Amino acid sequence: SQQGEEDPQALSIQEGENATMNCSYKTSINNLQWYRQNSGRGLVHLILIRSNEREKHSGRLRVTLDTSKKSSSLLITASRAADTASYFCATDEFTPAGRRALTFGSGTRLQVQP
Amino acid sequence: SAVISQKPSRDICQRGTSLTIQCQVDSQVTMMFWYRQQPGQSLTLIATANQGSEATYESGFVIDKFPISRPNLTFSTLTVSNMSPEDSSIYLCSVEIGNTIYFGEGSWLTVV
Repeated sequence: SQQGEEDPQALSIQEGENATMNCSYKTSINNLQWYRQNSGRGLVHLILIRSNEREKHSGRLRVTLDTSKKSSSLLITASRAADTASYFCATDEFTPAGRRALTFGSGTRLQVQP
Repeated sequence: SAVISQKPSRDICQRGTSLTIQCQVDSQVTMMFWYRQQPGQSLTLIATANQGSEATYESGFVIDKFPISRPNLTFSTLTVSNMSPEDSSIYLCSVEIGNTIYFGEGSWLTVV
């Protein structure tokens, strides 16, 4: 089953605006990671936030984590057309087969209009 | 970080054939993971591969359909056997370094 569910599923904004994507999860986590995927390509790791952290910044990216609500958000400030991509959150957990691996959310498709 | 190279990057395959995807990492890693991403969907873990042991498959994936090799700490292969159109997906290999999982560019297979 999907650990992370993302909201919204799709988001369309104008260049220069901020984009906020949310992720919810169900079980306890050690960390949560955000990835970007351009159409048909591999995933690019954006940021990792540990369970004892509440906020993390990397350039125009800001990630928050609320473990009491089991949710995280990714904020992209001053968006650019090149930010157009799908964004996924992923949580580190044990799979049904007993292995530790990432479980991915459903993703948010971000479209930034020039 | 890690540089992960996958081959092929893209292929069109005939129904009933098999294709082997290669994954090469520029550093030695213990754990390698294979994911599938069906069109418009999120990523689903196929199996975890440790060097020197058999891969561990997740629910819905079996070794006969997705045999995996892990001959050393920098290389792995995933074979998609007896392909059908439902196997059309992006297949991604990934590795763990520290607490971060890094991905290759993926292999986009279309089965016709």
